[in-house]
Amino acid sequence: KAGVTQTPRYLIKTRGQQVTLSCSPISGHRSVSWYQQTPGQGLQFLFEYFSETQRNKGNFPGRFSGRQFSNSRSEMNVSTLELGDSALYLCASSFPKSGGLLARDTQYFGPGTRLTVL
Amino acid sequence: GDSVTQMEGPVTLSEEAFLTINCTYTATGYPSLFWYVQYPGEGLQLLLKATKADDKGSNKGFEATYRKETTSFHLEKGSVQVSDSAVYFCAQNPERGAQKLVFGQGTRLTINP
Repeated sequence: KAGVTQTPRYLIKTRGQQVTLSCSPISGHRSVSWYQQTPGQGLQFLFEYFSETQRNKGNFPGRFSGRQFSNSRSEMNVSTLELGDSALYLCASSFPKSGGLLARDTQYFGPGTRLTVL
Repeated sequence: GDSVTQMEGPVTLSEEAFLTINCTYTATGYPSLFWYVQYPGEGLQLLLKATKADDKGSNKGFEATYRKETTSFHLEKGSVQVSDSAVYFCAQNPERGAQKLVFGQGTRLTINP
């Protein structure tokens, strides 16, 4: 079974530009969560999408947005990039079709997209 | 609020040494607890998990027990290998059904041959 895939793996942008990152979850998973990883702040939750609806949102400015498509693939967008947005952006999927209650909590992560803002 | 605190790193051990990485959490409810591992240049891999008090998660020789009375989930391994060198993250999911992990700051582990 293929894992979570993220594209692109690396991106270089300049301040003020916008960027779109893509995440394809494990087949059958319906929930996609996004996280930002930086050396200073560590791993922080951005938002979660389930069945095309944003269910939870972290404490990030409105420049960070996302969406989910009917096939559960998700994209996140960052507008008006700032230097501090340089980070590893990780996507995780969960909610397999089969499995009991215990399986619901497990998130499986992709390799991440490394964004550098110059 | 909900949080996770891990022991400060980095941690350097010799091969075959005993490993403990401390993790404590604060939560208003009854979270699920996880350990993830991150190798250089990669995403996070689930190492083990526990969903209720006194559960023991185990995988690849690593173990952790969900201790509600001490709000802890310490990671242990009896004999580490060079290949265990990585960054280890303790995390909680404070709200069941909401896929929203709260992570500790991570502990970098280096194993010397």
